[in-house]
Amino acid sequence: EVQLVESGGGLVQPGGSLRLSCAASGFTFSSYAMSWVRQAPGKGLEWVSAISGSGGSTYYADSVKGRFTISRDNSKNTLYLQMNSLRAEDTAVYYCAKSANSGYVYDAFDIWGQGTMVTVSS
Amino acid sequence: DIQMTQSPSSLSASVGDRVTITCRASQSISSYLNWYQQKPGKAPKLLIYAASSLQSGVPSRFSGSGSGTDFTLTISSLQPEDFATYYCQQRDTFGQGTKLEIK
Repeated sequence: EVQLVESGGGLVQPGGSLRLSCAASGFTFSSYAMSWVRQAPGKGLEWVSAISGSGGSTYYADSVKGRFTISRDNSKNTLYLQMNSLRAEDTAVYYCAKSANSGYVYDAFDIWGQGTMVTVSS
Repeated sequence: DIQMTQSPSSLSASVGDRVTITCRASQSISSYLNWYQQKPGKAPKLLIYAASSLQSGVPSRFSGSGSGTDFTLTISSLQPEDFATYYCQQRDTFGQGTKLEIK
């Protein structure tokens, strides 16, 4: 079964850091770009970051550029999002999502994780 | 940056109704448009990709059309499980969502 499972969310103070993980199974992880998409409470979906299958190319929304770092370990079938200098407006459920087609970064997202909640508050 | 505008923002309908949701791009995006369904507390689910291709396992009452700047998602006969929020997506941009509620 194709599956994505996020972890690492929690409560953090403004200015703090957190690292999210997304464990993948059921597909050839290294063949697919992966993305992080977030959803603030009661709001819509916001694409955050993407990474190519090899990990050699990364992409960020302007709202997180310079503060967040996406990475992956293909030997562990795991995607990461390092979040630094967190702000209240980063409070959201963070989803990892798989690109539908091998080799395409900006693509439909055919598999999503269940999400992990990040709360930035003092 | 390309903006994606969905309409309406919310919609009330009854079981069995035919419903259409519209997504408009601020410039031509060819057929690079995807549709998702999201239920409360759940992750989004891909319904339609490349404007009109039905994702595997999605009921045939869902259909998508359009190209260029104007796109539509149609549900031919609403079922109780279809009441949810729907999003369009183009590359790194999502529409603001359309909440479909029971009348």
